[in-house]
Amino acid sequence: AQSVTQPDIHITVSEGASLELRCNYSYGATPYLFWYVQSPGQGLQLLLKYFSGDTLVQGIKGFEAEFKRSQSSFNLRKPSVHWSDAAEYFCAVGAGTYKYIFGTGTRLKVLA
Amino acid sequence: DVKVTQSSRYLVKRTGEKVFLECVQDMDHENMFWYRQDPGLGLRLIYFSYDVKMKEKGDIPEGYSVSREKKERFSLILESASTNQTSMYLCASSSGLALGEQFFGPGTRLTVL
Repeated sequence: AQSVTQPDIHITVSEGASLELRCNYSYGATPYLFWYVQSPGQGLQLLLKYFSGDTLVQGIKGFEAEFKRSQSSFNLRKPSVHWSDAAEYFCAVGAGTYKYIFGTGTRLKVLA
Repeated sequence: DVKVTQSSRYLVKRTGEKVFLECVQDMDHENMFWYRQDPGLGLRLIYFSYDVKMKEKGDIPEGYSVSREKKERFSLILESASTNQTSMYLCASSSGLALGEQFFGPGTRLTVL
């Protein structure tokens, strides 16, 4: 079955520290992969996406993600977290022509 | 700036009421989606539409219906609201390209008493 797993429900990091949010997917074909961010009271905003090509993808706000087919993973990283990065992050996989499967989200807290 | 707007940010309704949630996009997108967001469950697809008057069921369509009479507008209808439909509802749109970026509205937090 197609699925997306975000194993960390909550993550807390100090401002300036590095960040890695984990995402594992289960999908038979080559996946289309996305990371979205949801700030409090807002809708989701696309951070980055992977369709094909270079497995290291750069996104907005200094985020990057690496697609590892052998591990079925698409982890999100940022070298130095800012207080404004506190939000909920969702990994998603495109599954079929119009369907997207979202993970359950990881809520990031940033300590000053 | 591309925009997806939803008619209400907060809505409180009574059990049994008919509820309409409206979504409008200004990007001339072919595809529109309604999701439900609940803590610990992520986003679950209720319905989507890939063209005017066309609709497809998502993963949790029970208790919901949709209407798309114009390209820019996609409505979610709760025929008889129940307390288990208390949730955050998110609308999204995307271009006709398969699996392109989705653009989300700010959400409607619906409480059914």
